[in-house]
Amino acid sequence: GAGVSQSPRYKVAKRGQDVALRCDPISGHVSLFWYQQALGQGPEFLTYFQNEAQLDKSGLPSDRFFAERPEGSVSTLKIQRTQQEDSAVYLCASSLGWGQGAGEQYFGPGTRLTVT
Amino acid sequence: AQRVTQPEKLLSVFKGAPVELKCNYSYSGSPELFWYVQYSRQRLQLLLRHISRESIKGFTADLNKGETSFHLKKPFAQEEDSAMYYCALSGYNYGQNFVFGPGTRLSVLP
Repeated sequence: GAGVSQSPRYKVAKRGQDVALRCDPISGHVSLFWYQQALGQGPEFLTYFQNEAQLDKSGLPSDRFFAERPEGSVSTLKIQRTQQEDSAVYLCASSLGWGQGAGEQYFGPGTRLTVT
Repeated sequence: AQRVTQPEKLLSVFKGAPVELKCNYSYSGSPELFWYVQYSRQRLQLLLRHISRESIKGFTADLNKGETSFHLKKPFAQEEDSAMYYCALSGYNYGQNFVFGPGTRLSVLP
């Protein structure tokens, strides 16, 4: 079947606009992660879901960032009142299990957000 | 706090030469270590993980707890190995304990 998909692939937003980024994980995968990857950097953890439960949101940089996974499948990362420093590639990953040693994380292609 | 360092941003070697990509970590418990690779225009994918002790595409990595290192090695580099390589660490509790290093770009010259 298909891997992790993300939409849109590219998003240009004017400063102050709200954006919503979507992630479709691999069917049946319990764990879902969001990462932010700035240019020239490694992915940085934002938040983690186990099914529909958001177990860790410690990486979200401000209260303008919000993520949900209401039915334990598709997830949406929302950024309100975007700022230029939000410009980055946002990666979604899913894995079959949970906890340490849960298995390989499968990554989506990412959404490149540019805030002008 | 957990941290992963990769001292080289760019590593260039000639085809057929040995290659070693360095990774050091700091974590108070027993982490799981990974190497992820991103080829040009492709998504990030797992290369290998220390618990499986496999050799993938000729690459190996040994976890050295004394030196807190997980260096990636290949005896004879190939041009198709050119890519971005990220070392990553998973702590006991998933989530924020999954930390990536800044990455090393490997360029294998003909």
